[in-house]
Amino acid sequence: QQQVKQSPQSLIVQKGGISIINCAYENTAFDYFPWYQQFPGKGPALLIAIRPDVSEKKEGRFTISFNKSAKQFSLHIMDSQPGDSATYFCAASKSDKLIFGTGTRLQVFP
Amino acid sequence: EPEVTQTPSHQVTQMGQEVILRCVPISNHLYFYWYRQILGQKVEFLVSFYNNEISEKSEIFDDQFSVERPDGSNFTLKIRSTKLEDSAMYFCASEELEATDTQYFGPGTRLTVL
Repeated sequence: QQQVKQSPQSLIVQKGGISIINCAYENTAFDYFPWYQQFPGKGPALLIAIRPDVSEKKEGRFTISFNKSAKQFSLHIMDSQPGDSATYFCAASKSDKLIFGTGTRLQVFP
Repeated sequence: EPEVTQTPSHQVTQMGQEVILRCVPISNHLYFYWYRQILGQKVEFLVSFYNNEISEKSEIFDDQFSVERPDGSNFTLKIRSTKLEDSAMYFCASEELEATDTQYFGPGTRLTVL
């Protein structure tokens, strides 16, 4: 019930391509779904977040798509750049603690 | 831009020793958290802290762990008797208001237990 499943585990994308990372959750009480970006040796940094009352949120090249009925949400990175190479974690929360997915290691090649 | 800071960046200790990991949350934040990330794995919740008491703790946060806000700025995680399996990155996070849900993470302390 508390798990957040994330896929793929790793992703290789050409520069300029679209990176798509998917997450699924079980607990319908979750009401906040952030994505965090983590570079090696650093702490997770909030990238973008969504609440279940909207189906999509866009900030620059980053878009979250949210499907409440399917209990799934995804991160789309448009025009992927080598600087986007990092590990991405989805998470879910019902106030208080964050439940993280297992992470996706994204590599963007020039 | 305000940020969460953590010290030390790397702590090496012998099994059975006590360690204290320190965090300075963002100054106007009210909610504080500790998370753990074993190398190559996901970030796991340990404990949340609000109004000078623990709000929630995970199964990982057993009697060997404790948290404290000794003054108006620091937030500490103490492991009383470290085990090999405590080796991990420990992240502190803080949140301004519970309603925002936005947690800001520090850079982490790498704990190595030998």
